[in-house]
Amino acid sequence: ILNVEQSPQSLHVQEGDSTNFTCSFPSSNFYALHWYRWETAKSPEALFVMTLNGDEKKKGRISATLNTKEGYSYLYIKGSQPEDSATYLCALNSGYSTLTFGKGTMLLVSP
Amino acid sequence: DVKVTQSSRYLVKRTGEKVFLECVQDMDHENMFWYRQDPGLGLRLIYFSYDVKMKEKGDIPEGYSVSREKKERFSLILESASTNQTSMYLCASSLKPPANNEQFFGPGTRLTVL
Repeated sequence: ILNVEQSPQSLHVQEGDSTNFTCSFPSSNFYALHWYRWETAKSPEALFVMTLNGDEKKKGRISATLNTKEGYSYLYIKGSQPEDSATYLCALNSGYSTLTFGKGTMLLVSP
Repeated sequence: DVKVTQSSRYLVKRTGEKVFLECVQDMDHENMFWYRQDPGLGLRLIYFSYDVKMKEKGDIPEGYSVSREKKERFSLILESASTNQTSMYLCASSLKPPANNEQFFGPGTRLTVL
């Protein structure tokens, strides 16, 4: 079983704060790295799929970077809003059909 | 718009009952997956299927079985439910490789076994 680690486990910030989370994974098993957002009472939704070392992707105030050589990815949220409150999951694709998920970072943004 | 649906949002069953969780996707995806999510443990893969009538064990298959008779439908079966199977169950689907493996999730079924 591959080990995908996410930190921190949870985070509580104020509206307007910028924040970031980390996902680390075994670099020798890398094919693609996925980020998902999971809001309470909803289905997890894909944010980004990243495959290239040095890749940077952006969607609105959320961006992600990838370092496949050292085995980590960062997710950044600029100017957090209460609607950003969710659990953020990263998942490693090692080249097969399945994904190995980290345990997630639970973000709470207070108004 | 892509859609994965699960038969129930909430389910309460008794120990020893046979439980069926149904998942349907309308995206013509080859791959389908069943996960359970528990606090502090994240999403763990129970079983997946890459084609009709095909199934593969995931990381925690014990106590579960699956059925895929049609491409759009993937069923998770608890042959004899136990209290340690109380959990949130998520179904997902994806295209087969070399697609990027993005998985599309259903809303989840919260199962309580008494």
